[in-house]
Amino acid sequence: EIVLTQSPGTLSLSPGERATLSCRASLSVSSSHLAWYQQKPGQAPRLLIYGASSRATGIPDRFSGSGSGTDFTLTISRLEPEDFAVYYCQQFGGSPLTFGGGTKVEIK
Amino acid sequence: QVQLQESGPGLVKPSETLSLACSVSGGSISSYYWNWIRQPPGKGLEWIGYVSYIGNTNYNPSLQSRVTISLDTSKKQFSLRLTSVTAADTAVYYCARLIASLDRGDMDVWGKGTTVTVSS
Repeated sequence: EIVLTQSPGTLSLSPGERATLSCRASLSVSSSHLAWYQQKPGQAPRLLIYGASSRATGIPDRFSGSGSGTDFTLTISRLEPEDFAVYYCQQFGGSPLTFGGGTKVEIK
Repeated sequence: QVQLQESGPGLVKPSETLSLACSVSGGSISSYYWNWIRQPPGKGLEWIGYVSYIGNTNYNPSLQSRVTISLDTSKKQFSLRLTSVTAADTAVYYCARLIASLDRGDMDVWGKGTTVTVSS
């Protein structure tokens, strides 16, 4: 099983600041099979990034993804009030499909 | 656009079987993989398994002995059965569409989720 470790667990930032979230895999993951999701309280997760760096439909360009192999990053260039949420990475390259433990981005 | 809707009992007794259905509307079943994911209260996401559009299944090894996911193409619906449930199975259960190919492996459409509590 490929374990995804997300860091930090919580990120305290102010609106307008830059957020950098990390996802580290225990084994190499194909970039094609690495995705990021956003989840707000009481809501289902929403796909943000697929293929490590491609934005899903309707996702603002302040969200970007990068990385390869075992190290992947989600960057939010300037936090908007609606961006404070929990973010999960997910891999499909190895079975079973796994999610990271999540990073909570909270208002400082 | 494609929408998913979970349905099923919100309360299940310990040792009994949890059964949920997910209805697909606004799009085709073909070419996609249909998943169940769960989220215990205050915790992260756990993948349960999927059924493909041609009926192949793949389950999380941690649940494999208790899980069955099936597809009814005529009803555009897929289902989850989880046997011998305990309090640890209490969670919000989501259904989701997985795009699985050489170029992608992500879930682009999700249901709103349904809360299942295991309690006597």
